Amino acid sequence: AQSVTQPDIHITVSEGASLELRCNYSYGATPYLFWYVQSPGQGLQLLLKYFSGDTLVQGIKGFEAEFKRSQSSFNLRKPSVHWSDAAEYFCAVVSNFGNEKLTFGTGTRLTIIP
Amino acid sequence: DAGITQSPRYKITETGRQVTLMCHQTWSHSYMFWYRQDLGHGLRLIYYSAAADITDKGEVPDGYVVSRSKTENFPLTLESATRSQTSVYFCASSRVDEQFFGPGTRLTVL
Repeated sequence: AQSVTQPDIHITVSEGASLELRCNYSYGATPYLFWYVQSPGQGLQLLLKYFSGDTLVQGIKGFEAEFKRSQSSFNLRKPSVHWSDAAEYFCAVVSNFGNEKLTFGTGTRLTIIP
Repeated sequence: DAGITQSPRYKITETGRQVTLMCHQTWSHSYMFWYRQDLGHGLRLIYYSAAADITDKGEVPDGYVVSRSKTENFPLTLESATRSQTSVYFCASSRVDEQFFGPGTRLTVL
């Protein structure tokens, strides 16, 4: 079965600094990969997704992620964070769209300091 | 308004009581899902549904029951609530390339 690992439980970054959140997946075939963001007290919002093609994916709010098959990774990046980026970030994988079930990582909480 | 809604948003109940969490979506998406979110576990799938009258278990189905008589509704019932079911519950619906999440229901079982 597929699985997702987010090794960083909590990350603190200064406002204006760059950000990278790590995500590793375990799946035999080409996965469909997602990053979601959850603001406090809110539901989840899709940031970006990777299905195929260009391995560098652009998302909303200035985020991007790079799929690296050799490293089984799909890390999320942002060149300059804003205080409003403070949230919980979840990486997820779906094995195929026959059932559309997502498997989530445990999440990374991002704190922004002035 | 278009979207996915959950009710109630907050619920406090007692051990042994039956509780039903409601989920409604306006897009006519075929797939719907129930997740629970707990610290240290991320989101875990409880049940999902591929269409009306078609449901299947997810990762943590024990103690929960679902039904889907209409495409737009997907209620989740805790038949006899336990303290371990204290959690935040999210409903989602899916088109082919994205799941859309409701705002969540925070359930406390005393």
